[in-house]
Amino acid sequence: DGGITQSPKYLFRKEGQNVTLSCEQNLNHDAMYWYRQDPGQGLRLIYYSQIVNDFQKGDIAEGYSVSREKKESFPLTVTSAQKNPTAFYLCASSRGDTQIYGYTFGSGTRLTVV
Amino acid sequence: AQKITQTQPGMFVQEKEAVTLDCTYDTSDPSYGLFWYKQPSSGEMIFLIYQGSYDQQNATEGRYSLNFQKARKSANLVISASQLGDSAMYFCAMREVNTNAGKSTFGDGTTLTVKP
Repeated sequence: DGGITQSPKYLFRKEGQNVTLSCEQNLNHDAMYWYRQDPGQGLRLIYYSQIVNDFQKGDIAEGYSVSREKKESFPLTVTSAQKNPTAFYLCASSRGDTQIYGYTFGSGTRLTVV
Repeated sequence: AQKITQTQPGMFVQEKEAVTLDCTYDTSDPSYGLFWYKQPSSGEMIFLIYQGSYDQQNATEGRYSLNFQKARKSANLVISASQLGDSAMYFCAMREVNTNAGKSTFGDGTTLTVKP
């Protein structure tokens, strides 16, 4: 079955460290997205990519970086510049950038700063 | 201004009863889609139902229906015959084709608790 795989499920980061969250999809979707969710709140867009080798900043891109070298993969790096990274991170993909298609989400990565 | 507004932070419903979760939206784009997602305590977001801005009829998917009132910019989710497994957080979202590069905007969510 096709889907999105996020890893790891739980991640602990020390102060000043960079960490990378993995997101892989086998749905042949063009568009991929990273969202951040804080407890009891909605989703905020970090970065998105509509095509390989191209990506755009979302609403809260500061302190994060991404790459899109392959259609299937859209890893997110949380850098030391992100001062409050503890949150739940969700990766999503979509067949296109029209309103017709909803998102398919991964199961998320819970990041904690220790 | 908030693009998606969900005014009910928490809702309770008795098992087997129907419940309506409210969602209002704001856009000037004539082409948009409205979506509802369910997020159980495990965290994964599950797509429930979709309504296009040009659709004349309200969308239905099993026990889920979307009460779409375009003039009022309202897209309420109705869950019929609630089950204990419906307890979760529910998010309303909108994708605008022309004005937001197809990105989705999410509301803050409504936590639904189904009582036995």
